[in-house]
Amino acid sequence: QQQVKQSPQSLIVQKGGISIINCAYENTAFDYFPWYQQFPGKGPALLIAIRPDVSEKKEGRFTISFNKSAKQFSLHIMDSQPGDSATYFCAASNLFAGNQFYFGTGTSLTVIP
Amino acid sequence: DTGVSQNPRHKITKRGQNVTFRCDPISEHNRLYWYRQTLGQGPEFLTYFQNEAQLEKSRLLSDRFSAERPKGSFSTLEIQRTEQGDSAMYLCASSTLRPGRGANYGYTFGSGTRLTVV
Repeated sequence: QQQVKQSPQSLIVQKGGISIINCAYENTAFDYFPWYQQFPGKGPALLIAIRPDVSEKKEGRFTISFNKSAKQFSLHIMDSQPGDSATYFCAASNLFAGNQFYFGTGTSLTVIP
Repeated sequence: DTGVSQNPRHKITKRGQNVTFRCDPISEHNRLYWYRQTLGQGPEFLTYFQNEAQLEKSRLLSDRFSAERPKGSFSTLEIQRTEQGDSAMYLCASSTLRPGRGANYGYTFGSGTRLTVV
């Protein structure tokens, strides 16, 4: 059973455009939602994370939007660049009751110059 | 290099053979995790250690899999009698014990060991 559902599976965006990746979860005990970026041949790298007590978190060109009632969260990449081309994973965890992150299935982002 | 180090990067083995992978975490990190990632999927949790104690194991971790972290530093993951279904990227990650308020908290992953069972 997939704890975190992620969409779309792949995404193609023009340089300068906005990339949007969506995730949904069911377990209301989750209290931490990170996003990871993975390049080919590398392990995932933490990009940005949010707790459910805020609805939005912005760091540079990356923004997480969080909707607690809908149990959904999304990653927005503003002014997308070719260097952003990678696979993005959302994840969820109950940090203090458990110790594993549940990952989505990933979104392959391609930014066209 | 202060990141998580995994060795070997690639391993090709024949079905039925045993393999062992090593992970060296970030030195100040108490927690160490093993995940498995297959093509087109997100990482799946296998097991984790807090210092030298193995505190949780996934049902994915069959009896053929064993992990150790003998002195609370590096860790090894051994797969006995490998099967073709074991072919995957095995990722090690480490983290601190507690997240800081306001800071992004998460694992630091290594680059993984890609296992191919032929």
